[in-house]
Amino acid sequence: QVLLVESGGGVVQPGTSLRLSCAASGFTFSSHALHWVRQSPGKGPDWVATISNDGNKKYFADSVKGRFTLSRDNSQNTLYLEMDSVTPADTALYFCVRDPGKVGAAYFDYWGQGTPVTVSS
Amino acid sequence: EIVMTQSPATLSVSPGERATLSCRASQNIYSSLAWYQQRPGQAPRLFIYAASTRATDVPARFSGSGSGTEFTLTISSLQSEDFAVYYCQQYRNWPPQYTFGQGTKLEIK
Repeated sequence: QVLLVESGGGVVQPGTSLRLSCAASGFTFSSHALHWVRQSPGKGPDWVATISNDGNKKYFADSVKGRFTLSRDNSQNTLYLEMDSVTPADTALYFCVRDPGKVGAAYFDYWGQGTPVTVSS
Repeated sequence: EIVMTQSPATLSVSPGERATLSCRASQNIYSSLAWYQQRPGQAPRLFIYAASTRATDVPARFSGSGSGTEFTLTISSLQSEDFAVYYCQQYRNWPPQYTFGQGTKLEIK
């Protein structure tokens, strides 16, 4: 079955960096776009970023553009989110999410369980 | 940005009864709408896509309808496991700027 397992979350200070990883299994990794979606406690989900199946196309929410970097290793079935210059507004549970297609033009069909990120001094 | 507005914020319904949840988009999104269920402590789960297509293993008592700017999720006869928060999400934008509604909490009356 489709499995997405996030890691790398933790407590960090404002202005620092953090790298999240997502290990995938149970499907052909290189055939699907992937997303990061975050959710603050008691709030609805917020889309963060999308990467196409081949890694050539990347899209970011305005709130993270220029601070977050997205990459994937199709040989290792792993997705990464590099978070720089984090602020308390980045505090959330970060989900790795699969897209049913190659380019990320659709809905989110499978979700990981999330990794928590807390930005606090 | 396309703003998604869900109503009501909380819906109290008795088991066995029908529940109707609404979602409105600030502009025409055609049928590019998905519904997700989220239980406490769990990740959201895809329930409906393309406004009316049930995802894998979603019971037939769930149905989605609508197009353009007005959408509805209907649960025909509520079971105990259906009490959760439901979010709608649009995926019409390109380049992507996906947006979610603020959610409807479906609680036991």
